[in-house]
Amino acid sequence: EPEVTQTPSHQVTQMGQEVILRCVPISNHLYFYWYRQILGQKVEFLVSFYNNEISEKSEIFDDQFSVERPDGSNFTLKIRSTKLEDSAMYFCASRMGQGSRIQYFGAGTRLSVL
Amino acid sequence: DAKTTQPTSMDCAEGRAANLPCNHSTISGNEYVYWYRQIHSQGPQYIIHGLKNNETNEMASLIITEDRKSSTLILPHATLRDTAVYYCIVRVNNAGNMLTFGGGTRLMVKP
Repeated sequence: EPEVTQTPSHQVTQMGQEVILRCVPISNHLYFYWYRQILGQKVEFLVSFYNNEISEKSEIFDDQFSVERPDGSNFTLKIRSTKLEDSAMYFCASRMGQGSRIQYFGAGTRLSVL
Repeated sequence: DAKTTQPTSMDCAEGRAANLPCNHSTISGNEYVYWYRQIHSQGPQYIIHGLKNNETNEMASLIITEDRKSSTLILPHATLRDTAVYYCIVRVNNAGNMLTFGGGTRLMVKP
């Protein structure tokens, strides 16, 4: 069964460093998402992406965050200068298109900012 | 999206049916009820969704009341692997992209 793949599974970084989290969505999907979950808290929406542009973003998704689909398969989330409070699980999701509203999630990347 | 209310936690014996309720009294006519679950900090997993008719798939059944103000997710024969947080999400199908997760119900399946 096709699945959303995220790498790395765990990323440790120093405060102030840039990190890139990578996702390979399901191959025929057109809509892509990033969510995050701080330990013990709810899953929060960050951003959605369609047709090579951001279609929606939350207040969390400030200028420190950016997303990119550099080629036909990868979807990345970049955090320019990490803060301690960016430590969380980051989930990528994708969905097929107009006919389906089901989002399929990856296993997540655990980001630890020291 | 309409607000949902779910119990914080529930227990269920292995092999028995798990019935997870959700209240969505402010649901509007074009909003669907979606269920996802999250097993121990893994990514959320889609289970089922419906508008007004009851739905069944290989994972679960969804029972929506006639007035659509509440619904119940049924796992017919719960296993230990069904231990997870279950989220009931109400949303319009043709607008917006994001899923809004609440606190969900923590289901503990016990031997």
